Amino acid sequence: EAQVTQNPRYLITVTGKKLTVTCSQNMNHEYMSWYRQDPGLGLRQIYYSMNVEVTDKGDVPEGYKVSRKEKRNFPLILESPSPNQTSLYFCASIGDRRTGELFFGEGSRLTVL
Amino acid sequence: AQRVTQPEKLLSVFKGAPVELKCNYSYSGSPELFWYVQYSRQRLQLLLRHISRESIKGFTADLNKGETSFHLKKPFAQEEDSAMYYCALLLSGGYNKLIFGAGTRLAVHP
Repeated sequence: EAQVTQNPRYLITVTGKKLTVTCSQNMNHEYMSWYRQDPGLGLRQIYYSMNVEVTDKGDVPEGYKVSRKEKRNFPLILESPSPNQTSLYFCASIGDRRTGELFFGEGSRLTVL
Repeated sequence: AQRVTQPEKLLSVFKGAPVELKCNYSYSGSPELFWYVQYSRQRLQLLLRHISRESIKGFTADLNKGETSFHLKKPFAQEEDSAMYYCALLLSGGYNKLIFGAGTRLAVHP
């Protein structure tokens, strides 16, 4: 089944403890992106990647890192999480540039205490 | 500045009533607009694109450049339409720039 898979789905952590949210897609998509969803703010783009080894900042990149060593994986790294990074995170990919249709993961709910 | 505005956080209607979820955008270029939907316990998925001019699950949306709007409409709401709806604007120059509105939760009551 074609899909985008994120892990973990739920995580509670403490300030300063490094964590990684993994994202994997099996559709051979070149473009991948991370969003955070906060009440009243919709989805805001954190980072995106146009292809392997090509990444760039989105609208809210502060406090996050990403890497794209393989086409299928696009992990989101929080080196030193803070409470303002408590949010719902979505990974997404696009296969067909003509349609611009995003395929989303199920989301990862992160709480930083 | 580019922006997508969905003025209603919650829209509550009864089954069979007409539905209109509002979306306004601000963009000086040529807009490409989408509606995404998230049903309970499911992932976000594309509902429709203005370019395709389709009707999906009875929903339609027409781009009105004069009013800079892309409202989502359905003549007769069903309970299974209850979900979170996001309007999104694709900026020209690449699909890396997709701006989402804050979302509207549609609740359809029996």
